[in-house]
Amino acid sequence: DQQVKQNSPSLSVQEGRISILNCDYTNSMFDYFLWYKKYPAEGPTFLISISSIKDKNEDGRFTVFLNKSAKHLSLHIVPSQPGDSAVYFCAASASWGKLQFGAGTQVVVTP
Amino acid sequence: DAGITQSPRYKITETGRQVTLMCHQTWSHSYMFWYRQDLGHGLRLIYYSAAADITDKGEVPDGYVVSRSKTENFPLTLESATRSQTSVYFCASLDLVNTEAFFGQGTRLTVV
Repeated sequence: DQQVKQNSPSLSVQEGRISILNCDYTNSMFDYFLWYKKYPAEGPTFLISISSIKDKNEDGRFTVFLNKSAKHLSLHIVPSQPGDSAVYFCAASASWGKLQFGAGTQVVVTP
Repeated sequence: DAGITQSPRYKITETGRQVTLMCHQTWSHSYMFWYRQDLGHGLRLIYYSAAADITDKGEVPDGYVVSRSKTENFPLTLESATRSQTSVYFCASLDLVNTEAFFGQGTRLTVV
């Protein structure tokens, strides 16, 4: 039973535009959420996180929004750059027990 | 070198063999995790450990065994490898202070 879901397997966006990646979760006990980026043949690397006491966290071009009532979070990348082409994973944890990941979204940024 | 390292990077083994994947971290993070990455499934948690000698099952633990006798090491053993265990395996450790998980480079395991 997958508790973290990324329903869009892929996303194509033009360079300079906004990329919006979505993530839904089912476990109301999750209190910390993270986004990771992964290039082929490499391990995932941390991008940005948000705790359940916040609804927004921003770091440079990356902003994560959390809607607890909808059990939904999103990652905005503005502006998108060719180097952003990668697989993005959403992850969630309840008090740092299991850290569970979604299936990932492949982002392709086109010139 | 500081960080988290996995070995081997690539492994081919036969069905029924026992194989152990190694994971070592230099930070003394208390939490460590093992994931497998398969197309369409993302990263699925196999086992995790909250501290030395404390381990717990994740989403897909069947066929795997872990141990954590030392904080820095978290080996994953496939007791009798099956073709369905062909995958890329990632180990991670969690920095609770900065709330960030660091991943190793991965081990690509092929069971023939």
